[in-house]
Amino acid sequence: TQLLEQSPQFLSIQEGENLTVYCNSSSVFSSLQWYRQEPGEGPVLLVTVVTGGEVKKLKRLTFQFGDARKDSSLHITAAQPGDTGLYLCAGDRGNYGQNFVFGPGTRLSVLP
Amino acid sequence: DTAVSQTPKYLVTQMGNDKSIKCEQNLGHDTMYWYKQDSKKFLKIMFSYNNKELIINETVPNRFSPKSPDKAHLNLHINSLELGDSAVYFCASSRGTGRTTDTQYFGPGTRLTVL
Repeated sequence: TQLLEQSPQFLSIQEGENLTVYCNSSSVFSSLQWYRQEPGEGPVLLVTVVTGGEVKKLKRLTFQFGDARKDSSLHITAAQPGDTGLYLCAGDRGNYGQNFVFGPGTRLSVLP
Repeated sequence: DTAVSQTPKYLVTQMGNDKSIKCEQNLGHDTMYWYKQDSKKFLKIMFSYNNKELIINETVPNRFSPKSPDKAHLNLHINSLELGDSAVYFCASSRGTGRTTDTQYFGPGTRLTVL
């Protein structure tokens, strides 16, 4: 049973466009993280959101955690080719320490 | 100055063989993890160790056995390899404070191909 769904699965856009990707679950998580993974490399953490309704900004990236702590979104403004990659969300199920379940990812391609 | 390193980067082997993947972190972290990423890029936790003690053991065949000789190392030994074991295996580490906000640092991955 996959606890986290991500949409869209694939996204190809032109440089300068805006986009939003979604991460949804029926489960409540103590936190949710977003990662970007490039080919041949491990995932790199972008942000952790903890509080329901929390919004965090990282330059052109805006992350929001749903009020019920079951879903999240990532919005990219004025996408650039350097944003190309696999975006993974991960929810922490752990009572102590971290036990993350990952979504299947959104593969983003930003064309120059 | 690699934070989390894995060896080998690529591993090609025959079905039925036994192989090991090594992981080392130089971040002084207390917790280390093994993840498996299949061909569809689905990343799934396998094990986690905190100070050499096993704390997470997901539903993984007992052919997979993690070994932590010290808190900077977490190796993965796989017996009787099967075709379905082909995947990229990632090691990761975190401070292990118990807080959900700890950052996990991933290694570069080991691509295992079983023929």
